[in-house]
Amino acid sequence: QQPVQSPQAVILREGEDAVINCSSSKALYSVHWYRQKHGEAPVFLMILLKGGEQKGHDKISASFNEKKQQSSLYLTASQLSYSGTYFCGTDPAGGTSYGKLTFGQGTILTVHP
Amino acid sequence: GAVVSQHPSRVICKSGTSVKIECRSLDFQATTMFWYRQFPKKSLMLMATSNEGSKATYEQGVEKDKFLINHASLTLSTLTVTSAHPEDSSFYICSAKRQGQRTRYGYTFGSGTRLTVV
Repeated sequence: QQPVQSPQAVILREGEDAVINCSSSKALYSVHWYRQKHGEAPVFLMILLKGGEQKGHDKISASFNEKKQQSSLYLTASQLSYSGTYFCGTDPAGGTSYGKLTFGQGTILTVHP
Repeated sequence: GAVVSQHPSRVICKSGTSVKIECRSLDFQATTMFWYRQFPKKSLMLMATSNEGSKATYEQGVEKDKFLINHASLTLSTLTVTSAHPEDSSFYICSAKRQGQRTRYGYTFGSGTRLTVV
């Protein structure tokens, strides 16, 4: 089942912050985050593996609450280059779906000067 | 590192013909490759999982005979759209998982193929 992302779209000015949420109805092994620019392939941002894990590089970070089956992506001091569609991809715990990701519907982030 | 090459990037074909799309991992071995289809402004829909040396696993609703997948080596998977029709027009993307990987690394995507059937 497809994870649910919120919000569907965000409009920011440079320097502002944003949070994108990803919620799953299934127990998760990991959550991936990707950014896709128009007409291009998705680019990997980060993967979160453990309950309560937080990761980040530069001004983009993420958290994963294993119990709530939720992940959030935090973008701080946004730059024009952050514009794009953000997808979370979930890898369910156990079962036969080893490594197979199901992607959320995407969040369109637009950063204006 | 972790580069996936997908070819062609764009293809226009006539209705009823077949089109082959290649996905190659250039600097790592990919035991598993995934094929996705994406409609404009929509999410990535998994079509099938391609495992080297074995039959592909198709998602529910995806026609096996229409979307032929072959994963002949650890670096190459191909998707052939047979007897293409206008409704098959879409953006097709592959992604590759490193051998033995489930942790640490994200999946690398190919650059995608824009298929237009006329």
